[in-house]
Amino acid sequence: KQEVTQIPAALSVPEGENLVLNCSFTDSAIYNLQWFRQDPGKGLTSLLLIQSSQREQTSGRLNASLDKSSGRSTLYIAASQPGDSATYLCAVKITGGGNKLTFGTGTQLKVEL
Amino acid sequence: DAGVTQSPTHLIKTRGQQVTLRCSPKSGHDTVSWYQQALGQGPQFIFQYYEEEERQRGNFPDRFSGHQFPNYSSELNVNALLLGDSALYLCASSLGTEPYNPQHFGDGTRLSIL
Repeated sequence: KQEVTQIPAALSVPEGENLVLNCSFTDSAIYNLQWFRQDPGKGLTSLLLIQSSQREQTSGRLNASLDKSSGRSTLYIAASQPGDSATYLCAVKITGGGNKLTFGTGTQLKVEL
Repeated sequence: DAGVTQSPTHLIKTRGQQVTLRCSPKSGHDTVSWYQQALGQGPQFIFQYYEEEERQRGNFPDRFSGHQFPNYSSELNVNALLLGDSALYLCASSLGTEPYNPQHFGDGTRLSIL
């Protein structure tokens, strides 16, 4: 059974700091990995999607990497801003598992002024 | 272009009652998935509907059932509500059931059980 873990569960940083969020998964047979952002009481906004054959994806100040063999992904946020405060979730689609997402427990990020 | 819409936004029920949540997929999408997100946890897959049939199901009891209509909208029904059913219920839509089709999420229905 695929299990997805995110560390740390919560993180507080001062504005302007670069930071890394971690995601690990137990079964390397994944189709792709996706990072989402969730604001309080809201749905999920997709940030980056990495196919299993890719090593990284970038969008603006965000960079996500994938090491499938070790079962790890990182989300790097450069020059953090208070508007980045949210919960960040990683999710995988398992090879042969159709179109369902298996999520981690999330990292709650707070960027302080 | 309308995104995924869910109703109601919030709902309060008591133990033992039954509830129905509704979802309209993003325009052009034909597949609907439902997820349960307990407070402080990641979403858990409940089931997925395509062509009006349940195609995949997660580890949820039979108290959780669903339906998809010809216009692709969907309902999630939960019977005999338990306190542990309190959660944010998220609906996601996609075009088809293949894994290369990205899922788009609604803002969810917050269900509170008293």
